Amino acid sequence: EVQLVESGGGLVQPGRSLKLSCAASGFTFSNYYMAWVRQAPKKGLEWVATISTSGSRTYYPDSVKGRFTISRDNAKSSLYLQMNSLKSEDTATYYCASYGFAYWGQGTLVTVSS
Amino acid sequence: DVVLTQTPPTLSATIGQSVSISCRSSQSLLHSNGNTYLHWLLQRPGQSPQLLIYSVSRLESGVPNRFSGSGSGTDFTLKISGVEAEDLGVYYCVQGTHALMDTFGAGTKLELK
Repeated sequence: EVQLVESGGGLVQPGRSLKLSCAASGFTFSNYYMAWVRQAPKKGLEWVATISTSGSRTYYPDSVKGRFTISRDNAKSSLYLQMNSLKSEDTATYYCASYGFAYWGQGTLVTVSS
Repeated sequence: DVVLTQTPPTLSATIGQSVSISCRSSQSLLHSNGNTYLHWLLQRPGQSPQLLIYSVSRLESGVPNRFSGSGSGTDFTLKISGVEAEDLGVYYCVQGTHALMDTFGAGTKLELK
């Protein structure tokens, strides 16, 4: 059974940092591009980052470029999202997903507030 | 940047009714490799999204065949042939054609009439 389990969310003050993790199992993680997608409360889905299978290539929308960093550890079947200089508009549930969106985690809530 | 426009934003249906959702792209989604990376997702209330249709018309494993996708270039449609109660939720189109800069549509909420 495919599982993606996110962790690391919580309440953080504006300007601070947070690192999300996603543990994958049930599929060959190293063969998949992976992505982070977020959903602000009562809003739609927004793509946040994508990473290649080796981790050598990463992609971001302008809204997070320079602040967020996606990375992976294929030996641990794990995906990460380092979020710096957080803003209130980054408040959302963050989902880990396989690129192409066949597999999704349950999401982890990040709240940016003073 | 590619913009995906979904219509209608809300759709009311009765059980057994057939419905369609439109997704229009501001740019062609035909990739240089000949594939079109336009997918459809369903997010049921309180759940993570799930993939229904990939590459315009290919049914994801385990998805009922009352769901179908069609279209090309910039115009795409998701059809549900006979809505069932479990189909209620928000439907999103998403494109992956343009340089891995994925874009989601704003969503279409399917509710019971």
